[in-house]
Amino acid sequence: GAVVSQHPSRVICKSGTSVKIECRSLDFQATTMFWYRQFPKQSLMLMATSNEGSKATYEQGVEKDKFLINHASLTLSTLTVTSAHPEDSSFYICSARPLVRADTQYFGPGTRLTVL
Amino acid sequence: DAKTTQPNSMESNEEEPVHLPCNHSTISGTDYIHWYRQLPSQGPEYVIHGLTSNVNNRMASLAIAEDRKSSTLILHRATLRDAAVYYCIRGYGQNFVFGPGTRLSVLP
Repeated sequence: GAVVSQHPSRVICKSGTSVKIECRSLDFQATTMFWYRQFPKQSLMLMATSNEGSKATYEQGVEKDKFLINHASLTLSTLTVTSAHPEDSSFYICSARPLVRADTQYFGPGTRLTVL
Repeated sequence: DAKTTQPNSMESNEEEPVHLPCNHSTISGTDYIHWYRQLPSQGPEYVIHGLTSNVNNRMASLAIAEDRKSSTLILHRATLRDAAVYYCIRGYGQNFVFGPGTRLSVLP
């Protein structure tokens, strides 16, 4: 149980294009989903917190207009990187906080974004 | 501020027990202690979490100090597949802050 999926697992795009990453909780409902970013040899950094049906809360230094988050259902959140640039290349990881037993989070497998 | 302190690295021999320590001296009463592990190019894998009592599951055991200021993740018999970065985090379902974790090496 407690499986979180992400799609795609890896994506390569040209500079200036937009990329959408999906995060799904497969066997549980999640009112809250989180988006993290991890650069090489570094730890995970929280980018934003999204609650189903409401606007996401972004961490300091994360541009909300560049990283669009939609959390339209209890099992799906999407992160869209708009006008991507090479410096946005990173490993993006989502996690989901269960509706029932909300004391922890379960993480997705991550999406490797490379912007050329 | 990771809010927890872990050794940067540890080594273990295969098939021996491993005790990974974590210090969380400023933990609040509602914070759980969570352990995840991460392999390269993968998302963090849930290992175990607990509040006050020691916890066991098929992957590991979590021993929590009586004052809750520290805890230890116990892998009963390390295998090569247990080599990973282990993260200890405190919190109640949100505001998770990841530190550098402990890189566990398992020697055959």
